[in-house]
Amino acid sequence: DAKTTQPTSMDCAEGRAANLPCNHSTISGNEYVYWYRQIHSQGPQYIIHGLKNNETNEMASLIITEDRKSSTLILPHATLRDTAVYYCIVWERGTASKLTFGTGTRLQVTL
Amino acid sequence: KAGVTQTPRYLIKTRGQQVTLSCSPISGHRSVSWYQQTPGQGLQFLFEYFSETQRNKGNFPGRFSGRQFSNSRSEMNVSTLELGDSALYLCASSLRVDTGELFFGEGSRLTVL
Repeated sequence: DAKTTQPTSMDCAEGRAANLPCNHSTISGNEYVYWYRQIHSQGPQYIIHGLKNNETNEMASLIITEDRKSSTLILPHATLRDTAVYYCIVWERGTASKLTFGTGTRLQVTL
Repeated sequence: KAGVTQTPRYLIKTRGQQVTLSCSPISGHRSVSWYQQTPGQGLQFLFEYFSETQRNKGNFPGRFSGRQFSNSRSEMNVSTLELGDSALYLCASSLRVDTGELFFGEGSRLTVL
């Protein structure tokens, strides 16, 4: 069963912020939120992850709501090269389970 | 540092044949996972190896097998190929087993005719 729900597709103008939402209403206390993206014909690429607090790195920011039932991945200044499928994944550290990819959000960045 | 290397990148087989795919992880990474990606099923976990031991296996038939060598390189094998095995097979490596930060290769695209 899918643990996350994401919109099927989104558009974003180049240079604008891309905000990709993810619902994970059944997340447990030990589960992290991970984001990956997959550019056409390439392997998935790790972007960022978090547990409770907001996180930022050179690629993106991750905002997790206080109740942890949803999160938003923010690409601050989207470029054409950010066009990809973005996967939101919840994963419990320390378990034998591996990452389960859903269908993701297809982000199209346009001029 | 070199990334995850998968060979071959593309291959075509016929039904009933077998295929072996190879994965060289990032230097120092000891965990290797395999995923199958198809348009219909998306990315599905096949199996994971750490220190030459299979730690986890996805819901795939026994025709799908794998192994890991002492240098952490891994191979997966699919026997008695079926049309539905046509897919992109992705290998990912990580430093540890208890991490969700995986580094993926570009995949091996298998076409079964």
